[in-house]
Amino acid sequence: GENVEQHPSTLSVQEGDSAVIKCTYSDSASNYFPWYKQELGKRPQLIIDIRSNVGEKKDQRIAVTLNKTAKHFSLHITETQPEDSAVYFCAATLTGNQFYFGTGTSLTVIP
Amino acid sequence: NAGVTQTPKFQVLKTGQSMTLQCAQDMNHEYMSWYRQDPGMGLRLIHYSVGAGITDQGEVPNGYNVSRSTTEDFPLRLLSAAPSQTSVYFCASSYYASGFQETQYFGPGTRLLVL
Repeated sequence: GENVEQHPSTLSVQEGDSAVIKCTYSDSASNYFPWYKQELGKRPQLIIDIRSNVGEKKDQRIAVTLNKTAKHFSLHITETQPEDSAVYFCAATLTGNQFYFGTGTSLTVIP
Repeated sequence: NAGVTQTPKFQVLKTGQSMTLQCAQDMNHEYMSWYRQDPGMGLRLIHYSVGAGITDQGEVPNGYNVSRSTTEDFPLRLLSAAPSQTSVYFCASSYYASGFQETQYFGPGTRLLVL
């Protein structure tokens, strides 16, 4: 089955700086890669996703890049704000199959 | 449109008791799944379903049963609760069709404490 590795496990940045979280996956057939944000005590919520036929996707301060050859994808958050502090999870899946999650990155934005 | 709902929000069980965690969605999603999340850890898949009458095991299925008699409901049964099943349980659903997968929408979670 698929194996998703996520790094780093913790990340601290100064407010206004950029944050980058990286994930690698093992199954080249995976075709959908979502990123979730989970605030303390709340449910995971989608922040951005990318499909295997796209190399990059951007939504305001958040972007995701996908390198299918190297089998890795990354989350980029620019101009970080204190409200970006949360745990971020990456995931990979093939249509109709289970989602495989990374182990999470705890992001702290220091004011 | 309520999305994904879960009941109860919080439950305390004694070792050996059984219970059912309820999950329902009103988005007509074929794909539903159950995860457990332990402190400081990620989401571990227990069981999932790609449609009514179809279920499959995930990473940590032991001690749990599921059934999918309707598109809307996907209950999770704990057969004989153990302290190791103390966790937060999330149900999720998503749309998928041939060659196309959408994101999962998560329910609010059920906090389970087994004494």
